[in-house]
This record gives sequence, structure tokens and C-alpha cells, in this order.
Amino acid sequence: AQSVTQPDIHITVSEGASLELRCNYSYGATPYLFWYVQSPGQGLQLLLKYFSGDTLVQGIKGFEAEFKRSQSSFNLRKPSVHWSDAAEYFCAVGSDSNYQLIWGAGTKLIIKP
Amino acid sequence: DAGVIQSPRHEVTEMGQEVTLRCKPISGHNSLFWYRQTMMRGLELLIYFNNNVPIDDSGMPEDRFSAKMPNASFSTLKIQPSEPRDSAVYFCASSPGLYTGELFFGEGSRLTVL
Repeated sequence: AQSVTQPDIHITVSEGASLELRCNYSYGATPYLFWYVQSPGQGLQLLLKYFSGDTLVQGIKGFEAEFKRSQSSFNLRKPSVHWSDAAEYFCAVGSDSNYQLIWGAGTKLIIKP
Repeated sequence: DAGVIQSPRHEVTEMGQEVTLRCKPISGHNSLFWYRQTMMRGLELLIYFNNNVPIDDSGMPEDRFSAKMPNASFSTLKIQPSEPRDSAVYFCASSPGLYTGELFFGEGSRLTVL
């Protein structure tokens, strides 16, 4: 079955600390992988995407993610978080033959001052 | 450039009333998606249009839900009659390509049915 798992419902990080959000997927086809961010009261915004090639992808707002095929993972990282990064983060998977994205349940990031 | 525009941002209505949510996608995008977001069920895809044509409406929960896209710059999602369990945030998203997965979301319409 196709699925995306974000094991952490909430993560609390101190401002300035590093961040890693986990995402594991189960998908039959070669995956396209995405991270989206949702600030409170807002729609989702694409942070970064992986289609092929270099497995370390850079996104907006200083985020990066690494695709590890052997681990079926696509973890999101940021070296130093800012209070404005407090939001919910969604991992999603799709493919070049399926318009429908499979979404994770989201991880809510809380920033401690 | 203007993003995806949704209206209304908030709607409070009574059970049994008709609700119409509106969406203006980004100009030049040929794919449009309607999603529903709730705490219990997360993000659910309701319907997908490509070039104004509904491609897959299998996510529409019941016949009370209908969606139209009369032209490339406008779409509606209608609920009639509305029920309390329809309370959710409804998002419209547009995409420049069929399978890119790059969705541009509106700010959502928060619906409360009393």
C-alpha cells in the first residue's frame, strides 16, 4: 500500500538549534517527493521537491532534504531554526504517472525562545 | 503575481443551508484541486480538474458535494444541504502541470456548519 509516515506529531526545538523532520514512504513507483509547510491559518507552501538526480535538495527558507532510497526516507533539515519556522510540515509523495499526492499526517514544529 | 484566491475565508452557516466556495487559480495553471482539511482526517483530495474538465471526483464524500470549473480562471465547490460534519477548511490548489506535484494553495475557506 502507498503511504507516507511522519513519525513525529510534534517536535519542539530551541531557536537557533538544528532541526530534522522525518519522513518515510511506501510507494510502488519511482517517487517524486515533496515537503510543504503550513503556517497557522494559511495554505500549504512548497518548500522543496525531489524528482531525480542529486539526492540532497535545497529549498526555500534555508531548508534542505535528503532522499535515501535504501531507507525509503526523505528527511527535512535546517541547520538553525528561527521563530518564524514554527508551523506544520507535511511530507508528500507522487510520481510521473499519478497526479494524486499521498500526504503524511504532518509534524507540528514548536520553537522555544 | 497573484496567488490562488479563495472566498469566502470564513463561512458560518446552519445545517441544511447551501454553501458555495470559490476559487481563482493562478493564471496559466491548467490543473486545479479541491482539498478538505480536518484534524481527524488530515488532507483529503475531493476533486481534480485538468484543463477545466473534472478528472477524478472519487474523493467527493457524497452527492451533497458538487464542483464546477466553467473556465480556466474560476471554480466552485458547492455543498447542499450542508451538515455539521462538513465543518472543515477547504483548500483550492492549482498546478502548472499534470503530474508535477507542485501545488500552489490558496489560504483556504474555513467552513463551520452549526
